[in-house]
Amino acid sequence: GAVVSQHPSRVICKSGTSVKIECRSLDFQATTMFWYRQFPKQSLMLMATSNEGSKATYEQGVEKDKFLINHASLTLSTLTVTSAHPEDSSFYICSAIEGNQPQHFGDGTRLSIL
Amino acid sequence: EDQVTQSPEALRLQEGESSSLNCSYTVSGLRGLFWYRQDPGKGPEFLFTLYSAGEEKEKERLKATLTKKESFLHITAPKPEDSATYLCAVQAVGSGNTPLVFGKGTRLSVIA
Repeated sequence: GAVVSQHPSRVICKSGTSVKIECRSLDFQATTMFWYRQFPKQSLMLMATSNEGSKATYEQGVEKDKFLINHASLTLSTLTVTSAHPEDSSFYICSAIEGNQPQHFGDGTRLSIL
Repeated sequence: EDQVTQSPEALRLQEGESSSLNCSYTVSGLRGLFWYRQDPGKGPEFLFTLYSAGEEKEKERLKATLTKKESFLHITAPKPEDSATYLCAVQAVGSGNTPLVFGKGTRLSVIA
C-alpha cells in the first residue's frame, strides 16, 4: 500500500518552456502533499506544502509565481515550473500523507533545462 | 530552528561488516523521527518512524534506535543490496501535517 506515482520521470526541454509534473496517490487519499527539490548529494529541500482544495504554502525563498502548485483532488497534485531556465534544473520529488501516517514519496522527476 | 545532522557522509563496508549510522537532531518538540532509504535517481523509501526516546524498531538487517538527541541506524551483516543513501528526518509537533526536516544523508556502499 501507500504508493505515490510521479510523472514524468525525466524531462529535457528548452529554456523558457513551462513544465508540469504530476503527483498521484494511487491507493490512498492524500490530505497533504509536499513538493521537494534535491541537488546532487544534498538533502531534500521543502518547496511547498499543498492541501487539497486550498492554496499551497510556500517556503521562504520559493517563488510561488515560478512554481505553481495545484492540489485539485485528494489523489492529485501538480507542480508547474513556469518559464523554466537552466538554474531550475534539479530533481523534484513529491510526497503524500494520509492522516497521521508517514510521508510516502514518488520516484522524482529529473528536470534538465537546456 | 529544527536541524538534522547525519554522520558519516559516506560509509564503505565489506559484506558482513556491521556498523551504525548516526542522526543528531534538534527540534522544538518531536512528533516523530523518520528513516528513509534512497536509491540513485529514486524517491526516498520509508523504513521506520520512532516517536519517543528508548524506542527501537527492526526490519531485516536494520535496527533503528532513538534517544532525546540522536538516532542510530544499525546495520547487521550488510549485503551489497543494502547499498543506498539513508536519510534521517524529524517532524516537529504542530497543528496538522508539519513538514519533515531532512539531513543530508549517509551514502552507504557495501562491497562483496
